[in-house]
Parts: sequence; C-alpha cells; structure tokens
Amino acid sequence: SQQGEEDPQALSIQEGENATMNCSYKTSINNLQWYRQNSGRGLVHLILIRSNEREKHSGRLRVTLDTSKKSSSLLITASRAADTASYFCATDPWNTGNQFYFGTGTSLTVIP
Amino acid sequence: DGGITQSPKYLFRKEGQNVTLSCEQNLNHDAMYWYRQDPGQGLRLIYYSQIVNDFQKGDIAEGYSVSREKKESFPLTVTSAQKNPTAFYLCASSIDRADSLTFGDGTRLSIL
Repeated sequence: SQQGEEDPQALSIQEGENATMNCSYKTSINNLQWYRQNSGRGLVHLILIRSNEREKHSGRLRVTLDTSKKSSSLLITASRAADTASYFCATDPWNTGNQFYFGTGTSLTVIP
Repeated sequence: DGGITQSPKYLFRKEGQNVTLSCEQNLNHDAMYWYRQDPGQGLRLIYYSQIVNDFQKGDIAEGYSVSREKKESFPLTVTSAQKNPTAFYLCASSIDRADSLTFGDGTRLSIL
C-alpha cells in the first residue's frame, strides 16, 4: 500500500496547548498535503508543501517535511475547541499518475 | 458559491441492487475523484477522471463503475458485485494533479 500513516491515532489536549501530528510515507513524492475532517463531513484542505520545501506556515498551522526520512509533521498552535477533528496527510507520489494517497488519520480532541 | 454537491446524503441498498451516487461540481475543475472511507482505514481511491470521457481505476475499483460525460458530473454506481458496500463515499475535484482537492460532504451508504 502507498498510504501514509499518521501518528498518533488519537490525541487529546487542553485548549491553548499545541498539537503535533506526524505522517510517514513510503515512496518519493511531488507534494504532501494536510486535510481536516469534522465528523460526518467531507475533508477540507489545510496546507500543501512541495517536495523542495522544508517548512510552511499558515495561520496557527506549521508543517514540516523531511524527504530523507519520508515524514511530515503538522503543528497546531494555541489549540481551540473548534480544532477538534480528524487530520489526514495525503501524498502525491512520483509514479502513480493523478492519484493522491491518504493516511489513516489522527483524531484530535481539544478539551475546553 | 462554487463547490461540490453530493447526493443523497444517506442511501440504502437492497441485496442485488445497483445504486448511483451523484457528484456535481461548479468549480470548473478538470479532475474528479471518488474515495471510499471505512472506519480506521482512511480514504481509498475508487476511480478518478482527468478529463471528460476518460477515467481510470483506483486501488479498489471492483464492484464500482463511473461515467464522465460532462465536466461537471462524475456519478458513481455501486453494483451488486460489490459485496461490502457499507461505507462513507466522498467525491472530490482538483484543477490538476499538482493542486489540492476540494471535497463534497459525502454519501453514507448502508445495506438494508
């Protein structure tokens, strides 16, 4: 399987704390993306980082990419209860045409 | 506002029945995708289409069929050959392979 794997599977933190999620993948990629999914809804795109980039920021989100270790991390700073959701990484491998491969997700709970 | 509309939100299938899930987008995106989401397994690609009248199988195409007669529409038929169809089905679109995915809000399919 070319799916990525997120770690941890579940994370529970207090409001105001930072949340860090990790994604590991198996093959060389063009880019890696992070998505968020609220319960029973579709996924929403958060951020895209290309293979030649190492770090990217968007508001309270910080994404890093280490292509030598085939891993990425998503940091959410100053978390809010509204950040409670599942977070998925998706990779765009070199040799698979127009496909995106999603990981199994991290379920984040932010306690008010 | 532009987006992706999936219908119905909930669908029930009887044994031996084919059912069709609708996906319509007004984003003028060329590429469209169908994913299946099962608990704990992330998203798996069923079919994708890069242009009208062309589509490719994803990792789990058996028991499913699609058509792409119009740029805006990418319906998915779950055939009676799909023995375990109970899942959450997500449709997505993108401008091209280098871009992010925009998702609909999904159709939850169950067996009667």
